[in-house]
Amino acid sequence: DQQVKQNSPSLSVQEGRISILNCDYTNSMFDYFLWYKKYPAEGPTFLISISSIKDKNEDGRFTVFLNKSAKHLSLHIVPSQPGDSAVYFCAASGWGNNRLAFGKGNQVVVIP
Amino acid sequence: NAGVTQTPKFQVLKTGQSMTLQCAQDMNHNSMYWYRQDPGMGLRLIYYSASEGTTDKGEVPNGYNVSRLNKREFSLRLESAAPSQTSVYFCASSDPPWTGGNTGELFFGEGSRLTVL
Repeated sequence: DQQVKQNSPSLSVQEGRISILNCDYTNSMFDYFLWYKKYPAEGPTFLISISSIKDKNEDGRFTVFLNKSAKHLSLHIVPSQPGDSAVYFCAASGWGNNRLAFGKGNQVVVIP
Repeated sequence: NAGVTQTPKFQVLKTGQSMTLQCAQDMNHNSMYWYRQDPGMGLRLIYYSASEGTTDKGEVPNGYNVSRLNKREFSLRLESAAPSQTSVYFCASSDPPWTGGNTGELFFGEGSRLTVL
């Protein structure tokens, strides 16, 4: 049973525009959320995180928004750059729980 | 700064053969993990070790065993490989706040691509 869901498996966006990735979760015990980026033939790399005490966290071009009541989070990339072309994974866990659950990933293609 | 190192990077096995994937981290992290990635399935947790001396099953543990050899090393063993275990395997480590660290983010190795014929 997929506890972290990423729909719309792929996204194409023009360079300079905004990329928005969505993630839904089902487990109400989740209170720590992360986004990872993965290039082909490499391991995932951490991008940004948010805990349930916040509804927004920003790091440069990357912003994550959390809507706890809707069990939904989103990642905004502004402006999108060709180097952002990768697969993005949403992940979540409960505090004190090492079992990080991942979504299936979203392929982002940024068109120059 | 090696981070998380996995060996081997590629391996081809025949059904029924055994092998061990090795993983070492040099970040002094308490927690280590083994994930597998399959097309359309995302990353699924096989086993993890919250701290040295402990191991726990993840989402898909069947057919695997693990050993937390010391704080640095966490190995994954396939005793009798099956074609369903063809996958890319990722080792990761973290130092989450609840074990005394600062952040729950996982640091991943580059992956080990395993093919079972």
